[in-house]
Amino acid sequence: NAGVTQTPKFRILKIGQSMTLQCTQDMNHNYMYWYRQDPGMGLKLIYYSVGAGITDKGEVPNGYNVSRSTTEDFPLRLELAAPSQTSVYFCASSYPKGVTEAFFGQGTRLTVV
Amino acid sequence: AQKITQTQPGMFVQEKEAVTLDCTYDTSDQSYGLFWYKQPSSGEMIFLIYQGSYDEQNATEGRYSLNFQKARKSANLVISASQLGDSAMYFCAMRVLLGGTSYGKLTFGQGTILTVHP
Repeated sequence: NAGVTQTPKFRILKIGQSMTLQCTQDMNHNYMYWYRQDPGMGLKLIYYSVGAGITDKGEVPNGYNVSRSTTEDFPLRLELAAPSQTSVYFCASSYPKGVTEAFFGQGTRLTVV
Repeated sequence: AQKITQTQPGMFVQEKEAVTLDCTYDTSDQSYGLFWYKQPSSGEMIFLIYQGSYDEQNATEGRYSLNFQKARKSANLVISASQLGDSAMYFCAMRVLLGGTSYGKLTFGQGTILTVHP
């Protein structure tokens, strides 16, 4: 059972570079989320999606973009990386009906230097 | 807009004692779910317990119970018989259910670091 898979697990990026964080889930969940977590802090919602083709901004969307072309995949794109984007990024997914928990990936630790 | 507030940055408890972690929330939606997650030092997010806004009984899951007071908009986590392995960061979260203004959105609080002393 793969669940939610994030790649890569670690990445060092230079200022101004771009990259895509990959997130795939195999549970046929409609809802998917991207969060960032700075050291010792809570999870801040970047973007979320309630289904293929539908995305919406969270609390901290600036500097990021997402797309949702399939139910399984929800990639997060960082354009022109900045040191302020150094963080741990979590992808999560959940079933849409009822009160059901979200399942999280293992996280991607990103450092921008 | 939804907001989750956890006012206790850190909590300490003696092993085998009970501890309550506070969570208050704000939403204009009528249908929502409340969740608690544990994040140990290894970093993974572990789901603990949930409560629906229409559930009349408080949720329980082993040593975890959720003290849900809808009128006060609070959803406190109670851990009974604390164990050393309970030392971790704990997050409260809320998701608006289908039909709400921001349905699907899952919002987290700032977290509370729990330290269990032997």
